[in-house]
Amino acid sequence: GESVGLHLPTLSVQEGDNSIINCAYSNSASDYFIWYKQESGKGPQFIIDIRSNMDKRQGQRVTVLLNKTVKHLSLQIAATQPGDSAVYFCAENIPRHKLIFGSGTRLLVRP
Amino acid sequence: NAGVTQTPKFQVLKTGQSMTLQCAQDMNHNSMYWYRQDPGMGLRLIYYSASEGTTDKGEVPNGYNVSRLNKREFSLRLESAAPSQTSVYFCASRIIQGTEAFFGQGTRLTVV
Repeated sequence: GESVGLHLPTLSVQEGDNSIINCAYSNSASDYFIWYKQESGKGPQFIIDIRSNMDKRQGQRVTVLLNKTVKHLSLQIAATQPGDSAVYFCAENIPRHKLIFGSGTRLLVRP
Repeated sequence: NAGVTQTPKFQVLKTGQSMTLQCAQDMNHNSMYWYRQDPGMGLRLIYYSASEGTTDKGEVPNGYNVSRLNKREFSLRLESAAPSQTSVYFCASRIIQGTEAFFGQGTRLTVV
C-alpha cells in the first residue's frame, strides 16, 4: 500500500513502554485540537481531541496535554502495543472552519 | 453507514488531462474538506466548504477547483494535471467546526 511516513521523524519504543509524541501548532487563535492515527494505505482515524479551555484530557490509554503558552500539544500512549505502530498527526482548528494538520510522527513499536 | 466515500480509489493521468475527484458523505455533516498528502509528508488543506453553498481556499489551492454540489457531495477538479499533483487525496467531513473530522480512504493519483 501507500507508504506513509518515509521522511517523518520516528519514535521507536519497546512494547509495553509509554510513548510521548509531540506537536507544535502554529496559530495562537486555534481553539480545538485533534490527534489522528494513520496506518499505511488508510485515511486518518480520530484518537482524541481537546478544546483550548482545557490543559489535559484522558481517553483509554491515551492522554493529550495542551500548553497554550508555548503552542505545544502532546499525545501520551500508555503501555504501547504493536497495533499502535502508525503515523500520528495533530490537527488544529483555526476559527472559520479551517482544520490544519501538523507534520506528523512515525511511531514504531519494538516487540 | 458508509461514512465518507471517495471515487475513484486509483487514477493515472497524463500531463494536461483533467479529472474530477468525487466525495460523498452520508452523516449529514455541514463541513467538508479536501487534503493532499505527498509521500512521507503530512496532510495539506486544498479547499474546504464550511457549509452548503460556500467554499474557501486552504493552504495549497493553486491548480484546483471545487464544487459543493449539495450537502452530501464535494468534488475536486484538476483542470490541467501536472506531475506535481501526484499525491494521495483525502476528503473529510464534520458536522461543525470544533468537532472531529471523518476521513475517506483516499484517491491515489499519479500524473505522468
